[in-house]
Amino acid sequence: DAGVIQSPRHEVTEMGQEVTLRCKPISGHDYLFWYRQTMMRGLELLIYFNNNVPIDDSGMPEDRFSAKMPNASFSTLKIQPSEPRDSAVYFCASNPGDDRGLYEQYFGPGTRLTVT
Amino acid sequence: GNSVTQMEGPVTLSEEAFLTINCTYTATGYPSLFWYVQYPGEGLQLLLKATKADDKGSNKGFEATYRKETTSFHLEKGSVQVSDSAVYFCALSGYSTLTFGKGTMLLVSP
Repeated sequence: DAGVIQSPRHEVTEMGQEVTLRCKPISGHDYLFWYRQTMMRGLELLIYFNNNVPIDDSGMPEDRFSAKMPNASFSTLKIQPSEPRDSAVYFCASNPGDDRGLYEQYFGPGTRLTVT
Repeated sequence: GNSVTQMEGPVTLSEEAFLTINCTYTATGYPSLFWYVQYPGEGLQLLLKATKADDKGSNKGFEATYRKETTSFHLEKGSVQVSDSAVYFCALSGYSTLTFGKGTMLLVSP
């Protein structure tokens, strides 16, 4: 299996621009998670989906952030408009949701976002 | 709510030294406990886990024991290698999600 795939790996954009991060979870995984990692705050859970339905978005910082999962194999995290404080590494993770691996999450390589 | 506290890093060791990274937790119920590792430029990978009290998780020479009485899950390795240099995250399970500690950077020199 190819693992969790994220694109782009690096994104540099100017303040005010729209940014879209993409994720393809492992096939057959029912849960998908979006995290943000910064030096100051560590690893933060932004939102997660179960069977394409958003379950908890309480970690989304503000209305500028939105996430969708139109089907089982694709999710996006959008920031509009972007601000310099959004600079971070964004990770997508998935897990199969069965008893064996319910909490064993598989992470993608991350997208490093820089907003200037 | 759930929380995980890890020792501050970086931890700097020479090759073949003994490693301990402390992790304590606060949780309701009986969570599963995990250690994840993040190598430079990569995402987190599961290193080991324990699902109930007194369980010992082990992998690649690392081990950790789920201690309910001290609410701890310390990571140990008897002889570290340069290739073990990474950031290590302790985590506990909640309802469908994981709560992560802030991570501890390990630097191993030859």
